[in-house]
Amino acid sequence: NAGVMQNPRHLVRRRGQEARLRCSPMKGHSHVYWYRQLPEEGLKFMVYLQKENIIDESGMPKERFSAEFPKEGPSILRIQQVVRGDSAAYFCASSFSGLQETQYFGPGTRLLVL
Amino acid sequence: SQELEQSPQSLIVQEGKNLTINCTSSKTLYGLYWYKQKYGEGLIFLMMLQKGGEEKSHEKITAKLDEKKQQSSLHITASQPSHAGIYLCGADKGSGNTGKLIFGQGTTLQVKP
Repeated sequence: NAGVMQNPRHLVRRRGQEARLRCSPMKGHSHVYWYRQLPEEGLKFMVYLQKENIIDESGMPKERFSAEFPKEGPSILRIQQVVRGDSAAYFCASSFSGLQETQYFGPGTRLLVL
Repeated sequence: SQELEQSPQSLIVQEGKNLTINCTSSKTLYGLYWYKQKYGEGLIFLMMLQKGGEEKSHEKITAKLDEKKQQSSLHITASQPSHAGIYLCGADKGSGNTGKLIFGQGTTLQVKP
């Protein structure tokens, strides 16, 4: 009974490169959430997706960040032209439905921008 | 906007001692979650509380939500080194069903053998 899977676990990028973070939700879960944990800061909501739909992206920076959850395959969080300030731990969570259901978190991807 | 305040920020206890972590909201909570995070790892779900006055227990951990649904406490009985980590409370940002969780800043627990 696999939990939420994220890969890679660690990612190093140079400024200006692209970062692609992947998240496979728990089996049977169709709701995915992305959160970011900056150094010395708390966990902050970024985006909420269902299959092929973005439900709420109010926490996403307006530029360079995008997310998708296609019909087949994992959810992807994409960061274009990364900057040092993007260095953080990015967590994905999933739930069975969005109706006050518990969100189960993955192990996170730690992004370091050099 | 709603915020979650956790206290204390950090805690060092001797193995075998009891401890309590508090989580206070500026607004009514429609779902309060407790998670544990080990350094460098993901969040492990502990418990969810929804109703005022609700109390849940799992092994040596008990979580309560007050009647007004603005404060929750997490109590660990007879702490063990395996309880060490960062405890986070989270709640739905809206009035119950937005899917957006906000989190407290976390309480770091160390348990001395």
